[in-house]
Amino acid sequence: AQKITQTQPGMFVQEKEAVTLDCTYDTSDPSYGLFWYKQPSSGEMIFLIYQGSYDQQNATEGRYSLNFQKARKSANLVISASQLGDSAMYFCAMREGSRNTDKLIFGTGTRLQVFP
Amino acid sequence: NAGVTQTPKFQVLKTGQSMTLQCAQDMNHEYMSWYRQDPGMGLRLIHYSVGAGITDQGEVPNGYNVSRSTTEDFPLRLLSAAPSQTSVYFCASSSPRQLQNTEAFFGQGTRLTVV
Repeated sequence: AQKITQTQPGMFVQEKEAVTLDCTYDTSDPSYGLFWYKQPSSGEMIFLIYQGSYDQQNATEGRYSLNFQKARKSANLVISASQLGDSAMYFCAMREGSRNTDKLIFGTGTRLQVFP
Repeated sequence: NAGVTQTPKFQVLKTGQSMTLQCAQDMNHEYMSWYRQDPGMGLRLIHYSVGAGITDQGEVPNGYNVSRSTTEDFPLRLLSAAPSQTSVYFCASSSPRQLQNTEAFFGQGTRLTVV
């Protein structure tokens, strides 16, 4: 069964510094996708970045990059040059490749706090 | 661009009452899902649908029913509300093309309290 683990309940980072949020996953499907979502205090779910299991390069989207280590089954989110507005909950999620399911499974999340 | 619309945004129910959380999307997405979010537990999948007329259970389906009569709508029904169903509920939809790399679009959430 697919599983997502986020072991950091909370993280602190100073403004303008980089921070890494950890995510490990477990699946037996060779085809899968990994996602990161941001949930600010207002509650909406904001898609940040995607990494496919067959992608050769790590995904990047602006200040967000995904450190994908397939052999270790990890998909850590790196936020560079943190901003106060980055303070939020961050969720790692995985979807397996079967067309017959829509099981996007989430981790328990990491609360990031950026301080001046 | 409406995207995924959930109603209501807030709801208070008494134990034993029934209600339906509405979810509609205007992106012609085949896949729709319902999640509940509880502190410390992330988002847990309740039910999902891969197309009109097709639904299946997720991780925590007990106490909830769904149906999918149209592509656009995916209502979630609580038949007899219990305090354990106090939570924030999210509806999501996604396109089936290249399924595994398709992001899910979320509604704004419904905060439900059962007293």
